[in-house]
Amino acid sequence: QKEVEQNSGPLSVPEGAIASLNCTYSDRGSQSFFWYRQYSGKSPELIMFIYSNGDKEDGRFTAQLNKASQYVSLLIRDSQPSDSATYLCAVAEGGTSYGKLTFGQGTILTVHP
Amino acid sequence: GAVVSQHPSWVICKSGTSVKIECRSLDFQATTMFWYRQFPKQSLMLMATSNEGSKATYEQGVEKDKFLINHASLTLSTLTVTSAHPEDSSFYICSAIDSGGGTDTQYFGPGTRLTVL
Repeated sequence: QKEVEQNSGPLSVPEGAIASLNCTYSDRGSQSFFWYRQYSGKSPELIMFIYSNGDKEDGRFTAQLNKASQYVSLLIRDSQPSDSATYLCAVAEGGTSYGKLTFGQGTILTVHP
Repeated sequence: GAVVSQHPSWVICKSGTSVKIECRSLDFQATTMFWYRQFPKQSLMLMATSNEGSKATYEQGVEKDKFLINHASLTLSTLTVTSAHPEDSSFYICSAIDSGGGTDTQYFGPGTRLTVL
């Protein structure tokens, strides 16, 4: 059974700090990795996707992927109170299950002023 | 771009009735759409994969006769909760993959909150 693990938190960081969110996955054949943000009562919104080992930066967000360690992370620089949300790590299957996502349980992030 | 809508955004119904939820990709075509359910303080649970022009693929434990999925066009998938009961009350969310986008990125609709009395 494919599993995606996240620390449920809550993770609390002060405004302006770097928030580091971590995720591990069990299926070594996974190819696509996603970070979604979900505010309470809302549906997930895509932050970033990453396919290759290494770092991928987009504004204040950096995704890091290490396929050998089966580890993917999300760094949020200059954290803002508006970043307070649940962050979902998702891993996509390939082949006949193209696009099918397995979600982690989510990490609750709180950014305090 | 990549906007997915859902209708209705919320619905309250009596036990035993059926409820239909629509999921539309507004600015792209989606061969594949997904239906999720999310209970309070839990992560998303995939219910089924909806493929245009073919039968949906249901996840283990999801009753296909209770949760009817129809994906009749490249921009519309519907989920019908038949004979709804209070335990079906949940947040139902659809997502879609842009068939022409070149990636397997899923874009989520805003969700439908179902309350069964």
